[in-house]
Amino acid sequence: DTAVSQTPKYLVTQMGNDKSIKCEQNLGHDTMYWYKQDSKKFLKIMFSYNNKELIINETVPNRFSPKSPDKAHLNLHINSLELGDSAVYFCASSQDASRTQYFGPGTRLLVL
Amino acid sequence: GDSVTQMEGPVTLSEEAFLTINCTYTATGYPSLFWYVQYPGEGLQLLLKATKADDKGSNKGFEATYRKETTSFHLEKGSVQVSDSAVYFCALSKDQAGTALIFGKGTTLSVSS
Repeated sequence: DTAVSQTPKYLVTQMGNDKSIKCEQNLGHDTMYWYKQDSKKFLKIMFSYNNKELIINETVPNRFSPKSPDKAHLNLHINSLELGDSAVYFCASSQDASRTQYFGPGTRLLVL
Repeated sequence: GDSVTQMEGPVTLSEEAFLTINCTYTATGYPSLFWYVQYPGEGLQLLLKATKADDKGSNKGFEATYRKETTSFHLEKGSVQVSDSAVYFCALSKDQAGTALIFGKGTTLSVSS
């Protein structure tokens, strides 16, 4: 019973394509996040949603659009993929009272 | 702005050696502090946390104490194992709804037998 799951685990695609990454959590948390990990392992927040409301929207290209259909899901859609989008994308969730974030296994995106 | 600085790696140790990975932070107010671990090819796992000054977090033989006077949260383990080889991230979190974790750059630990 995975707490935070992401699909797909690996994604290889061509420049210019549009792709989506899905995230689901079964912890009953009310906040979900997307982080990007670059090739040097540096982790940076992209977005966060609290009760389906966008809370954090860092300086990312508007080709990236998060969508939260309900509290348990936060998907990431990327338009017109570029080589520089190659990275590992992590979804996370938390219950704000504890501030502890639980991470999914990551989606390894490679843009060719 | 808020930030986390941790020692550059890689750190290379022999099995049963003592481990210290330094972490210092800059933040206003009273952040919570965390250590996460990332094993090769995997996601991030919470290793331990501390939410207020002088708290000690501990798990799997790892320990870290929240030191407000030195703004530090150093990770220690008395005797490392080969299975501890991973990337370790220090992070902080502020007390606002949906607040993001701010990570250090990560420290790679390699333990040989």
